[in-house]
Amino acid sequence: EADIYQTPRYLVIGTGKKITLECSQTMGHDKMYWYQQDPGMELHLIHYSYGVNSTEKGDLSSESTVSRIRTEHFPLTLESARPSHTSQYLCASSGFHEQYFGPGTRLTVT
Amino acid sequence: AQSVTQPDIHITVSEGASLELRCNYSYGATPYLFWYVQSPGQGLQLLLKYFSGDTLVQGIKGFEAEFKRSQSSFNLRKPSVHWSDAAEYFCAVGGNNAGNMLTFGGGTRLMVKP
Repeated sequence: EADIYQTPRYLVIGTGKKITLECSQTMGHDKMYWYQQDPGMELHLIHYSYGVNSTEKGDLSSESTVSRIRTEHFPLTLESARPSHTSQYLCASSGFHEQYFGPGTRLTVT
Repeated sequence: AQSVTQPDIHITVSEGASLELRCNYSYGATPYLFWYVQSPGQGLQLLLKYFSGDTLVQGIKGFEAEFKRSQSSFNLRKPSVHWSDAAEYFCAVGGNNAGNMLTFGGGTRLMVKP
């Protein structure tokens, strides 16, 4: 099973602040993903990457941006956080067909 | 377009009782099917997967699922539920696509009565 890490696990931040959510995996997977999930709700794909220097937007429009400079690292950035960004953000990676998920970052914007 | 339907939003079962969570999918080619479990505040953990072969697949934590092509279903079962099984369960479908993209169902919340 993949080892995939997300930091921070919880973040409370004020409106207008710039934030970066970190995601790293140690399995050498090329494909990585970011999902947004409100409590008790379904997952929405917001970004994905096929490999280094590849980033694509997902099904749900998001004001966040991502980068993929190294295989193991796929950070997500919000330039100016707003209360509407309050949610849980899940990172995943895939080597074959299944996806493996990190523990998530719960973001609260006040 | 592919889709996944989990008809039951909430299910409550007594500890020790059997469990079946329903999943119906729509996919134009041979599907790859998955069940994930999510505890509160956590990420998703893969319970089991089906790619091909035997239509009854075994997973972790005593779960199994049966692929029925004629019914476009992939229902999750457990013969005896434990209180620790209380969680959200997601069914997902993918295929032999370049991005290993998955489509998730809306989830079923399982509650276990003592």
